[in-house]
Amino acid sequence: AQSVSQHNHHVILSEAASLELGCNYSYGGTVNLFWYVQYPGQHLQLLLKYFSGDPLVKGIKGFEAEFIKSKFSFNLRKPSVQWSDTAEYFCAVNANTDKLIFGTGTRLQVFP
Amino acid sequence: GAGVSQSPSNKVTEKGKDVELRCDPISGHTALYWYRQSLGQGLEFLIYFQGNSAPDKSGLPSDRFSAERTGGSVSTLTIQRTQQEDSAVYLCASSSGAGAASTDTQYFGPGTRLTVL
Repeated sequence: AQSVSQHNHHVILSEAASLELGCNYSYGGTVNLFWYVQYPGQHLQLLLKYFSGDPLVKGIKGFEAEFIKSKFSFNLRKPSVQWSDTAEYFCAVNANTDKLIFGTGTRLQVFP
Repeated sequence: GAGVSQSPSNKVTEKGKDVELRCDPISGHTALYWYRQSLGQGLEFLIYFQGNSAPDKSGLPSDRFSAERTGGSVSTLTIQRTQQEDSAVYLCASSSGAGAASTDTQYFGPGTRLTVL
């Protein structure tokens, strides 16, 4: 069965620090990968997604993620975080089905 | 009405009662999903509707859970004889259905927080 692991449950950073959130999945075949974000009091929204082509994907608000097939990973990065990036981040995988399998989420707190 | 809406936003019920949760997808979206988010857990897939096709119910945790989608638009998730472990946030999402379900962006509603006492 597919599963998604987000090992960082809670990350605390100061503004301008660099961010990397880990995401690993377990599935040997072709996958589609997503990062969703939920800002305080708001709906879940798509940050970026990968399903083919360049494994380095750029999303909104300066975020990017790199698909490394050999490591079954899709880590999210941002070179310099802002206070407004405080949110919960969810990695999700879809192995060419109609189901998105989500990780448990990473809560990011950014202090000014 | 640009986004997915859900009602009620909060629901408190007693163990053993039935509850109905409603989802209004984005207009024109043919695909609709229900998820459940329990405390400390990720989002758990429950059910998927696509157009007039038979729904994918493979994520429903027990036969106390059911969902309908009337007229290809509004969906209702019903939980019968609620149990305390049903307490969670129930999220609805819709997507255009124009592309493959596996790559379509899903747009989420605000969720319904269900508390079973």
